[in-house]
Amino acid sequence: EIVLTQSPGTLSLSPGERATLSCRASQSVSSSYLAWYQQKPGQAPRLLIYGASSRATGIPDRFSGSGSGTDFTLTISRLEPEDFAVYYCQQKGTFGGGTKVEIK
Amino acid sequence: QVQLQESGPGLVKPSQTLSLTCTVSGGSISSGGYYWSWIRQHPGKGLEWIGYIYYSGSTYYNPSLKSRVTISVDTSKNQFSLKLSSVTAADTAVYYCASAGELGNFDYWGQGTLVTVSS
Repeated sequence: EIVLTQSPGTLSLSPGERATLSCRASQSVSSSYLAWYQQKPGQAPRLLIYGASSRATGIPDRFSGSGSGTDFTLTISRLEPEDFAVYYCQQKGTFGGGTKVEIK
Repeated sequence: QVQLQESGPGLVKPSQTLSLTCTVSGGSISSGGYYWSWIRQHPGKGLEWIGYIYYSGSTYYNPSLKSRVTISVDTSKNQFSLKLSSVTAADTAVYYCASAGELGNFDYWGQGTLVTVSS
């Protein structure tokens, strides 16, 4: 069973700053199946990135994904106020534990 | 645009069976290409995949829940359902239905429904 470990658990940043979120798999996974989601309080998760680096429909280009093998990254180039949320990576039936991006 | 909506009791007694239904609109379950899924989120915690069903009826379950889970589909009503048996307080969670494409990413989600297990 693949385990996805996200770090850091919490990221405290200011609007306009760059956010770098990590997702590490316990064994090599296909990039095709690696996705990232954003979840705000009281809402369902929203698909941001699929196939490790492809943005889902309507997702701003400040969101980008990269990585391969066991190490994947979600980058938010310049944080907007609406970007403060929890982010999850996912590979097939496994989700990471999440990274909370909070306002510093 | 595909939309999903969960429905079912918000309160279930311990040892009983939790039953939820997801109604799909804006797309047909029987058109294929999607895996119709259930995911849950314990209060204040992360996401846990429960399982999914293909329109043909093929199912795939999380091994940790497999002994208690049944997912079924009713293509005539464009609905799929979740049954989780022998529930305990640990099954209290927000339950989401979602659709997964061929790459396994969940692109459409329901709003979620809170199910509390309590006597």
